[in-house]
Amino acid sequence: EDQVTQSPEALRLQEGESSSLNCSYTVSGLRGLFWYRQDPGKGPEFLFTLYSAGEEKEKERLKATLTKKESFLHITAPKPEDSATYLCAVRLGGAAGNKLTFGGGTRVLVKP
Amino acid sequence: DTEVTQTPKHLVMGMTNKKSLKCEQHMGHRAMYWYKQKAKKPPELMFVYSYEKLSINESVPSRFSPECPNSSLLNLHLHALQPEDSALYLCASSPPTRQEDLHFGNGTRLTVT
Repeated sequence: EDQVTQSPEALRLQEGESSSLNCSYTVSGLRGLFWYRQDPGKGPEFLFTLYSAGEEKEKERLKATLTKKESFLHITAPKPEDSATYLCAVRLGGAAGNKLTFGGGTRVLVKP
Repeated sequence: DTEVTQTPKHLVMGMTNKKSLKCEQHMGHRAMYWYKQKAKKPPELMFVYSYEKLSINESVPSRFSPECPNSSLLNLHLHALQPEDSALYLCASSPPTRQEDLHFGNGTRLTVT
């Protein structure tokens, strides 16, 4: 069965304390891994897409990497405004091509 | 502000009511989606429309009825809901061949009493 697991479930950081979030997946036919940020009461906001092992993408203090089994979202020197839930999702090929499967998310709280 | 607009933002309805959720986008996207999200859980796919035709129904109960009147609009008709259907209902759109370009609205917070 295809699965997407994110860890940790929650992360409390001091401002400036860098850390990494993990998204591991057991799927066949991966056609993309996506990272989203979701603020309370809002819809998810697209951050990155990764397609192949070794690929990296960066945006401000965030950097996403991908291996054959997992993806990491690195937060460098976070600020309080980086507090949010970070979701990863995978897209499968074939008949399920229009479907994203989401992980459970990591709730990040950055304290000043 | 999101480019996918959902109305209403909040909705309270009784189990015997009929209501509709609305979603609109003007990005020219030809794929539109309904997701359901419970508190502290990830979004769960309900329906996908591609070129105004229903392409995926994730075994959603018939008390939820989607409709795509044109390429910019997506509705979700609700009837005889249960309290456990209370959730955040998210609409999203994307170009049909680029699901990575998924744009979400801010959702409708639904409470069923």
